[in-house]
Amino acid sequence: SQTIHQWPATLVQPVGSPLSLECTVEGTSNPNLYWYRQAAGRGLQLLFYSVGIGQISSEVPQNLSASRPQDRQFILSSKKLLLSDSGFYLCAWSSDSLILEAFFGQGTRLTVV
Amino acid sequence: AQRVTQPEKLLSVFKGAPVELKCNYSYSGSPELFWYVQYSRQRLQLLLRHISRESIKGFTADLNKGETSFHLKKPFAQEEDSAMYYCALKGGAQKLVFGQGTRLTINP
Repeated sequence: SQTIHQWPATLVQPVGSPLSLECTVEGTSNPNLYWYRQAAGRGLQLLFYSVGIGQISSEVPQNLSASRPQDRQFILSSKKLLLSDSGFYLCAWSSDSLILEAFFGQGTRLTVV
Repeated sequence: AQRVTQPEKLLSVFKGAPVELKCNYSYSGSPELFWYVQYSRQRLQLLLRHISRESIKGFTADLNKGETSFHLKKPFAQEEDSAMYYCALKGGAQKLVFGQGTRLTINP
């Protein structure tokens, strides 16, 4: 069966420090991968998505970047965190075949102090 | 542009009353629409998809292309329906966007 792992679950980082959140998927190949930020009143904001290795689509210009070094690995990064980067980050995957649902990770609560 | 709008951030109804969560979308192509639900302390999960024309947990949603809407309905609300509900649209290139979400509270 397919599973998605996202870590860490919580993270407290100082302003100006780098960030690396990792998401991996097991049990499937060539998944579509997504990074979202969930904020109260703003819903689920799509940040990045990827349909293949090295293919990244950026939706919102901001202080973050994403990379997909391997088929089932999706990384969210920042060189220097801002206070406004605080939030709840969700990784998700979906299959490229037919119209199948997206499966979400447990999320990472990032607090920038 | 691909966009989903859920006009109600909060919705509160009494148990047994009908529920309707509104969703409108903007997309120039043929949309694939979904409703996702997040119960307390659980992961976001699929509730239903328009292509299946299914009823899940008593909920249904009909795609109205003329009004570009995909409202979620249930005739008789139950307390366990209290959750956060998101409408989502998958468009071209596998891009999946969500609305702002509606927090549904069912009062006893």
